[in-house]
Amino acid sequence: DTAVSQTPKYLVTQMGNDKSIKCEQNLGHDTMYWYKQDSKKFLKIMFSYNNKELIINETVPNRFSPKSPDKAHLNLHINSLELGDSAVYFCASSQDQENTEAFFGQGTRLTVV
Amino acid sequence: DAKTTQPTSMDCAEGRAANLPCNHSTISGNEYVYWYRQIHSQGPQYIIHGLKNNETNEMASLIITEDRKSSTLILPHATLRDTAVYYCISLRGSTLGRLYFGRGTQLTVWP
Repeated sequence: DTAVSQTPKYLVTQMGNDKSIKCEQNLGHDTMYWYKQDSKKFLKIMFSYNNKELIINETVPNRFSPKSPDKAHLNLHINSLELGDSAVYFCASSQDQENTEAFFGQGTRLTVV
Repeated sequence: DAKTTQPTSMDCAEGRAANLPCNHSTISGNEYVYWYRQIHSQGPQYIIHGLKNNETNEMASLIITEDRKSSTLILPHATLRDTAVYYCISLRGSTLGRLYFGRGTQLTVWP
């Protein structure tokens, strides 16, 4: 069983489109995250949710909107996609905000053309 | 969170110990040292973390110098599957959400 699963694994779309990436964890964790890894492989936090509540929102454009319907899911919706949004997006989870071990999904490679 | 510096790349023969160094000379007293790795085309994987004392788990050992300015991750018997980019990060435990990966060390294990 995959602990943290993301769909889709690959996403190619045109500029201006709206797309969503889904994430689910079956670990019973309270805290979930979205990270972005750019072309230089730098990985940076975007959002963090704890028990469906937003706790971290780094300087991410408003076009990015996370949605957590329950604590096992954290989806990422992106409006009006731009070329610069091309990256690998990783979902992760941890037991809670204080727990120090994060489990990552396999990533979603988004390419905006 | 303190800045860390690591060598860009290292090689290791299969079956030998891989020792990956990390400098974190500006680390503060409440910051932990974390190690993650990322195998090509996969998500990052937690390895180990520590504050002051040396730590060991089923994957690796972490040796932290007494002044905490540097540390070494040891993979005791490297295998080909350990080929990955290894990231050393220092941050306060409660700020896991601020995890930020820099360049890391590309470890290549050869047969």
